[in-house]
Amino acid sequence: AQSVAQPEDQVNVAEGNPLTVKCTYSVSGNPYLFWYVQYPNRGLQFLLKYITGDNLVKGSYGFEAEFNKSQTSFHLKKPSALVSDSALYFCAGGPRDNQGGKLIFGQGTELSVKP
Amino acid sequence: DTAVSQTPKYLVTQMGNDKSIKCEQNLGHDTMYWYKQDSKKFLKIMFSYNNKELIINETVPNRFSPKSPDKAHLNLHINSLELGDSAVYFCASSNSFRVWPQISFHFGNGTRLTVT
Repeated sequence: AQSVAQPEDQVNVAEGNPLTVKCTYSVSGNPYLFWYVQYPNRGLQFLLKYITGDNLVKGSYGFEAEFNKSQTSFHLKKPSALVSDSALYFCAGGPRDNQGGKLIFGQGTELSVKP
Repeated sequence: DTAVSQTPKYLVTQMGNDKSIKCEQNLGHDTMYWYKQDSKKFLKIMFSYNNKELIINETVPNRFSPKSPDKAHLNLHINSLELGDSAVYFCASSNSFRVWPQISFHFGNGTRLTVT
């Protein structure tokens, strides 16, 4: 079965410090991978995606993610965290032969950035 | 203007009732989706429709019946509600799934369903 995993339920970071939110995948072939952010009582907002090419993908709000095929990972990173980055983050993926646009989501990681 | 709007935002009802959640998108997208987010925040696709045609039906109980009167609307009707149906239901839309992965998803703000 295809899956996406986020091993940490919660990540706590001090403002100004770098942050990493981890994601690993088990998706057939070379998957397409995405990161979304969810603020309280809101829908998911797109941050970035990996399709092909450069393994380092830059996205919205200063976030970036690195695709690592050997480790089957797609960790989300930011060099300097802001309190306003506190939210729920979802990694998602889909196979290259996706039928129907289905996204397979990880279980989400709550990021808390303290002043 | 809200791109993907869902109504109602909150829905509290008793077991056994029938309820509907409505979703509309004004983005001109061809494909619409329903996702369920459970109490542990886990998100799972339920259905996708492309231009009123069912594309994905992810082994959801047949008490759940999506209806797409036109490509801008995808409503979710739930019969005989059960306690386990309590969750947040998200509607989403995208440009046609056929252009995967050049696909841009837009999510609604969710409908929190509580079954008592």
